[in-house]
Amino acid sequence: ETGVTQTPRHLVMGMTNKKSLKCEQHLGHNAMYWYKQSAKKPLELMFVYNFKEQTENNSVPSRFSPECPNSSHLFLHLHTLQPEDSALYLCASSHKKAPGQVNYGYTFGSGTRLTVV
Amino acid sequence: QQPVQSPQAVILREGEDAVINCSSSKALYSVHWYRQKHGEAPVFLMILLKGGEQKGHEKISASFNEKKQQSSLYLTASQLSYSGTYFCGTETGNQFYFGTGTSLTVIP
Repeated sequence: ETGVTQTPRHLVMGMTNKKSLKCEQHLGHNAMYWYKQSAKKPLELMFVYNFKEQTENNSVPSRFSPECPNSSHLFLHLHTLQPEDSALYLCASSHKKAPGQVNYGYTFGSGTRLTVV
Repeated sequence: QQPVQSPQAVILREGEDAVINCSSSKALYSVHWYRQKHGEAPVFLMILLKGGEQKGHEKISASFNEKKQQSSLYLTASQLSYSGTYFCGTETGNQFYFGTGTSLTVIP
């Protein structure tokens, strides 16, 4: 148990489906992140929430829509995805004292393995 | 802006040592190191802060050369459990980037 729980672990969806990924942490962290991990590629930051406010959106297509209702929960809503969106989606959390201050290490969830068919 | 790691892959026999390097083109405030085993989440190993000292974690330690904007991870007397992909993460101001990853395999 890493302290960050992601569900589901595996997801297969068609290009016309709508699904959501869920992330939950009870570590008292105030920053949460979505990362995409594709084969042979580095971890790509998608979204950042600090103190429940979205502070970064790294040019992610609008077919990915994040939601952070509180500091413990993070969602990634998916719709009309493409096959190239198939990847491992990792949620992470960290304790960040304030924007611009040092990020003292991420705790990652086990990820959702997404396959778009 | 993404740090570059070297080597990309390394195979060791149990008990051997390895060094993984992480280089950035930007001035660094901190460097993180993570290990990810196949099918599992990346796990935080350690953080090195600008002006800080060399850190250690069991037989895994790291150094941070601020002038060269580089960090190195040292694995001594490697064990089978050390196998996985190692990532550095670099913090430059408000930006944080993960490195390209180094696959490390320890064989008996």
